[in-house]
Amino acid sequence: GENVEQHPSTLSVQEGDSAVIKCTYSDSASNYFPWYKQELGKGPQLIIDIRSNVGEKKDQRIAVTLNKTAKHFSLHITETQPEDSAVYFCAATEGHSGGGADGLTFGKGTHLIIQP
Amino acid sequence: DGGITQSPKYLFRKEGQNVTLSCEQNLNHDAMYWYRQDPGQGLRLIYYSQIVNDFQKGDIAEGYSVSREKKESFPLTVTSAQKNPTAFYLCASSMGQILNTEAFFGQGTRLTVV
Repeated sequence: GENVEQHPSTLSVQEGDSAVIKCTYSDSASNYFPWYKQELGKGPQLIIDIRSNVGEKKDQRIAVTLNKTAKHFSLHITETQPEDSAVYFCAATEGHSGGGADGLTFGKGTHLIIQP
Repeated sequence: DGGITQSPKYLFRKEGQNVTLSCEQNLNHDAMYWYRQDPGQGLRLIYYSQIVNDFQKGDIAEGYSVSREKKESFPLTVTSAQKNPTAFYLCASSMGQILNTEAFFGQGTRLTVV
């Protein structure tokens, strides 16, 4: 099955600086890579995702890059703000042809702390 | 409002009791999932269902059971066989098709054994 490694486990950056979180995956058949943000006591919310036919995707201050050859993908947050403080999870799945999805495999999370 | 609702938010269980966590969605999604979250462990898949009346074990199914009698509902029972049930439980749903596997999560249920 799929195995997803995420680093670092904790990341502290100054407000206004950039933050980068990295993930690697093991299953070359994986084709969908979402990133989730989880605030304390709440469920994760999707912030950006990328599919294997694309190398980079950007949405305002957030971007994700994917290197299929190396089997790693990264989340980039620029101009960080206090409200970016949360736990971020990467995930991977291959889905299955013919319909259906057998669930995402998640990394263990990164606690992002934005220092004022 | 479309979404996925978990209840209760907090649940206390005595040792040896079974408890059932509710998950309802009105997104018309085919696929539903249960994850368990422990500190420093990320999210681990307990059970998933791709369609009504069908479900599959995830990575940590032992001590849990589910049913999928209706498309919008996927309750999880934590049985007395689950040795360490204290955790944060998250339910999710997705369209379930290969081109769209975005998962939407509920707000979670925190289960504590007392």
